[in-house]
Amino acid sequence: RKEVEQDPGPFNVPEGATVAFNCTYSNSASQSFFWYRQDCRKEPKLLMSVYSSGNEDGRFTAQLNRASQYISLLIRDSKLSDSATYLCVVTGQGGKLIFGQGTELSVKP
Amino acid sequence: DAGITQSPRHKVTETGTPVTLRCHQTENHRYMYWYRQDPGHGLRLIHYSYGVKDTDKGEVSDGYSVSRSKTEDFLLTLESATSSQTSVYFCAISGDRYEQYFGPGTRLTVT
Repeated sequence: RKEVEQDPGPFNVPEGATVAFNCTYSNSASQSFFWYRQDCRKEPKLLMSVYSSGNEDGRFTAQLNRASQYISLLIRDSKLSDSATYLCVVTGQGGKLIFGQGTELSVKP
Repeated sequence: DAGITQSPRHKVTETGTPVTLRCHQTENHRYMYWYRQDPGHGLRLIHYSYGVKDTDKGEVSDGYSVSRSKTEDFLLTLESATSSQTSVYFCAISGDRYEQYFGPGTRLTVT
């Protein structure tokens, strides 16, 4: 079983749609959680950290369920510029980051 | 954007030759990391550094070595490149050991 699992997609959605990505992790000792965004042939960029109480940044909402070892990212009112691969990231042994393989999102006009 | 640069950005080399990739930061962050990214595997940690001259192995360290003689520079060396080391290499930095910021990447092709 992979340490961090994501649905690879692709998710094809129209502009203005709401889309949700899910992620599960295997290490119950993980303490920190993040979503990164990666555009084609570019470096990953930190989108947001994920806190136990859930957190929101504009159109983006992240949720964490420690009991189920599950993380989610909700994007509302999708824009063309949201098209990218979204990486779920958790801390592993020694605080090192463990990356999921990513979920590809394509927003169409 | 965090001040991280990588050089070279693209390189084609032959099997058996040594290759060194450079990561340079202007943020004075303590932690630096080298990852490789391949289809079907995602990002995998090669080596990391937690200070000058302090380095440790990641999950895919075989065939790679690193050095950090200054806070701002972290070098990744492939002693004898193999075709399996064809990949995109990303450097990352972190001030608090968790949130990491990535450089633009180096595309390496070993023929």
